[in-house]
Order: sequence, then C-alpha cells, then structure tokens
Amino acid sequence: GENVEQHPSTLSVQEGDSAVIKCTYSDSASNYFPWYKQELGKGPQLIIDIRSNVGEKKDQRIAVTLNKTAKHFSLHITETQPEDSAVYFCAATYSSASKIIFGSGTRLSIRP
Amino acid sequence: NAGVTQTPEFQVLKTGQSMTLQCAQDMNHEYMSWYRQDPGMGLRLIHYSVGAGITDQGEVPNGYNVSRSTTEDFPLRLLSAAPSQTSVYFCASSYDDTSYEQYFGPGTRLTVT
Repeated sequence: GENVEQHPSTLSVQEGDSAVIKCTYSDSASNYFPWYKQELGKGPQLIIDIRSNVGEKKDQRIAVTLNKTAKHFSLHITETQPEDSAVYFCAATYSSASKIIFGSGTRLSIRP
Repeated sequence: NAGVTQTPEFQVLKTGQSMTLQCAQDMNHEYMSWYRQDPGMGLRLIHYSVGAGITDQGEVPNGYNVSRSTTEDFPLRLLSAAPSQTSVYFCASSYDDTSYEQYFGPGTRLTVT
C-alpha cells in the first residue's frame, strides 16, 4: 500500500525567511497530493493541492512542487509570518478520499 | 453553514466504558470519515461512509463501530474503551468519495484512564 514519509518533523525559521517541507510517497499510481495546515486546537484545513499532471502550483506565499520521477513533493512558504506557525501534513492518494494516506506532520515555528 | 461539528470537545473515560462521539455536517456531503491523530503518526483512517446506510473499515477499525442512518450524521462508538484509544479524533467530510478535498471538524480529545 501507499506510504508517505514527511521531513522534517520540526522546523524553526526566522520571520521573513522561507520554509520548506518535503514528502516522499511509495505508490507510483498516486495522482493527488494535498497539504493541510493544523492550527493549535483545530482540525486540519486544506491549504493547497497538486495533481500529478502539474509540476508546480502557487498560491500567494505558498507553493507546492511535484517530482513524479523521484516520487517526492514539497511545500514552500516564502516570507514567513507568525500566523504560519502550525503543524503541516502532506498526503497522497490515487483513487478516492478513503485511500488518502497522511504524512506524520511537521511542526513549523516562526521566530520573531 | 456550520461545516463539520463534533461533540464533545473533551472526554475522559475509564477503561471498559463505552461512549459515542458525535459528528454532523450541513454541507450535504455524501462522504464522511473518522480519523485518529496520535503524536508522530499523522492521521489514520478508522471508518468511512460513502453515503447513508453504507460504511466500511479504514486502516485502524478495531474497537470502533460506526453507522450512517442519515446523510448529516456519522457517530463513532467506542465499545469498551482502552488506554490505547487515548487520542484526538477528527471527523471529516467531502462531496463524495472521488472529491479529494476533505473538511475536518475541530476534533474530540479523548483520554482513557
């Protein structure tokens, strides 16, 4: 079955710097890769996603890149702000919502 | 729209007790699911439902039951609570099983002593 590995588990960056979180997946059939942000005491919220027919997608300060050959994808946050502090989860699936596999999460802290 | 709501927010149980975690959504979504979140392990699927009257097991179903009598509600039952079930439980929904964007509830924090 699918396996998703996420690194690093914790990340601390200076406010204004960039943050990068990386994930690898095992099932070459996976075709949808969402990223979720979970703020303290809340449920995860989808912030950006990418499908396998696209190499990069941007939404303001957030971007996701996908390398199908290497089977890895990354989340890039530029010009980090205090409100970016949260736990971020990557995920992958190939067929249905019930087949989504989540990574173990990255706790991102933004230092003032 | 309230989105996905969960009750209770917090719960403490003794080993062997049973209880039901409530989940409701007002978005007319066909697909609903339950996850548990444990430190360092991400989110793991417990049970899911693709529509009223249809449920199926996820990755970690043992010790849990679900039912889906209406489109809106998807309760999760702990049959005989064990300390290993101490976790944060999230309910999620999406338009249907092929709609990958899931909307999560705020979670129920459960401690079993």
